[in-house]
Amino acid sequence: EAEVAQSPRYKITEKSQAVAFWCDPISGHATLYWYRQILGQGPELLVQFQDESVVDDSQLPKDRFSAERLKGVDSTLKIQPAELGDSAMYLCASSFLGLAGDEQYFGPGTRLTVT
Amino acid sequence: EDQVTQSPEALRLQEGESSSLNCSYTVSGLRGLFWYRQDPGKGPEFLFTLYSAGEEKEKERLKATLTKKESFLHITAPKPEDSATYLCAASFQGGSEKLVFGKGTKLTVNP
Repeated sequence: EAEVAQSPRYKITEKSQAVAFWCDPISGHATLYWYRQILGQGPELLVQFQDESVVDDSQLPKDRFSAERLKGVDSTLKIQPAELGDSAMYLCASSFLGLAGDEQYFGPGTRLTVT
Repeated sequence: EDQVTQSPEALRLQEGESSSLNCSYTVSGLRGLFWYRQDPGKGPEFLFTLYSAGEEKEKERLKATLTKKESFLHITAPKPEDSATYLCAASFQGGSEKLVFGKGTKLTVNP
């Protein structure tokens, strides 16, 4: 069964350091999403890609966060510099077309701890 | 503002004790209502999509229903392995196709 892959699964970093997360969506899925989930909350969208183009990054803190999907397949989310408040689960999801109503399939997530 | 609210925040059941989880939404032009299951430390697992009021979907011991203002996830004769957090999310007209999630209901089923 096709799955969304993410790495690393866990990351511990000191504040002010740079950190990067990688995501490989389900093959053939045009739309890729990055979400942040704080413990006890639902996921919140950070950025949405349609192929290699950004569709929605309105909730991405652009002073420290960046995301790219250069060839329209896998994607990288970067934080520089990391802050204590960035500790959270970072989830990647993909959907076939990205139309409203399409199912989104999530990866296992990266648990980030900033010390 | 488009919102999704889930209740209760936590629910404890005995094995075999049926119950329902609630998801109320205030979105303009609902395009889809989604239910996910999330185990601790893992990503959400897709369960159901509902598109219109009156629609119902079933999977094993779970049944999801939708009205114009809310959705219910009914759990019949639950087992301990059904213990998880259940997330509800909605997509809506007029914006991007993003999902707006509720905070989830943490379900614990005791043997």
